[in-house]
Amino acid sequence: DTAVSQTPKYLVTQMGNDKSIKCEQNLGHDTMYWYKQDSKKFLKIMFSYNNKELIINETVPNRFSPKSPDKAHLNLHINSLELGDSAVYFCASSQGLPSSYNEQFFGPGTRLTVL
Amino acid sequence: DQQVKQNSPSLSVQEGRISILNCDYTNSMFDYFLWYKKYPAEGPTFLISISSIKDKNEDGRFTVFLNKSAKHLSLHIVPSQPGDSAVYFCAASPISGGGADGLTFGKGTHLIIQP
Repeated sequence: DTAVSQTPKYLVTQMGNDKSIKCEQNLGHDTMYWYKQDSKKFLKIMFSYNNKELIINETVPNRFSPKSPDKAHLNLHINSLELGDSAVYFCASSQGLPSSYNEQFFGPGTRLTVL
Repeated sequence: DQQVKQNSPSLSVQEGRISILNCDYTNSMFDYFLWYKKYPAEGPTFLISISSIKDKNEDGRFTVFLNKSAKHLSLHIVPSQPGDSAVYFCAASPISGGGADGLTFGKGTHLIIQP
């Protein structure tokens, strides 16, 4: 009965590979997000989707492509992985748009290590 | 360049005493502020929030104070308990941005409650 779940929890892969991280929320929320926590521990927004439509797309390489098959899922595909992509990626969801007084609920994170 | 700053990387407090975590921000467009708590290998968990029309919000042992003129907020935990030992993130968002912004996080403060 986890509210926001991510798979896998750990992902170790070689440079140049393509990988995906899946996220699902069972809270009935309209908006989902991807955040990246880098080695300096900053959590930064990457993407946000509201009702399957992209509403935030920060300056992220186009090797990163989010896909939202339905309101409850937001998957992150990463092509041609680079060493600098190593980080912890968090999925989150909220009821309503980011511009509303609604807290975001986070998943447990996926630690990606690129060798 | 950091729009949300938590200048204390760590804070040690005795059990039963008050813990005060501080956060400063530079973007005057921010008008919604949140505190998240994070345990190792887990995602951030929402703790408490405050909108810019208020200067205080209280929830049990947790109180958040906002000084808009100083662009400063603080989280008070009283009394501090061993289970409060975690990393605390301050986050901010503009509400009037039309949904174009996610949360901006500080770097976190590691709170250690000493028995």
